[in-house]
Amino acid sequence: AQKITQTQPGMFVQEKEAVTLDCTYDTSDPSYGLFWYKQPSSGEMIFLIYQGSYDQQNATEGRYSLNFQKARKSANLVISASQLGDSAMYFCAMRVGGGSNYKLTFGKGTLLTVNP
Amino acid sequence: EPEVTQTPSHQVTQMGQEVILRCVPISNHLYFYWYRQILGQKVEFLVSFYNNEISEKSEIFDDQFSVERPDGSNFTLKIRSTKLEDSAMYFCASSSVIPYYEQYFGPGTRLTVT
Repeated sequence: AQKITQTQPGMFVQEKEAVTLDCTYDTSDPSYGLFWYKQPSSGEMIFLIYQGSYDQQNATEGRYSLNFQKARKSANLVISASQLGDSAMYFCAMRVGGGSNYKLTFGKGTLLTVNP
Repeated sequence: EPEVTQTPSHQVTQMGQEVILRCVPISNHLYFYWYRQILGQKVEFLVSFYNNEISEKSEIFDDQFSVERPDGSNFTLKIRSTKLEDSAMYFCASSSVIPYYEQYFGPGTRLTVT
């Protein structure tokens, strides 16, 4: 069975600084994908970034980058130049297997607070 | 930009009542999902749906739950006889073939069972 672990219940960062949110995963399937979602206090789930297990390069999307270390089974999210609007809950998630129809397994989340 | 919509945003119901949560996925998407999030906890998969049938369901998705795509646009989750522990945020999501990895979530329906 697949598992996602986020060990940081809460993180604080100063505005304009970078922050790393940790995520480790466990699966025996060689084909998988890793996701990060942002959940603001309003409750919606916002897709941020995706990394496939066979991707050679680390994924980047604007200020978000995913530090993918396959041997360590980690997929940390790095947010550069934090903004006040980045304050939210962040969830790491995984899908296992190929194809287009898949379920996501989520971690417990990390609550990020950006201080002015 | 296309988005997944869900109605109602908040539903309050009494224990034992039936509820139907509604979702309108993105129009060209083929795969549909329901997840739930009990307050303060992680998001949990309930069911996935493709080609008018359930593809996969979790152990949470017991006989009290059902899903339907009654027409070309709506995707519904029915809970036949609600329990207190069904109180949660319910998210609908949809995905397409390209890019296959992007699963778009709706804003959620907060269900409160009293």
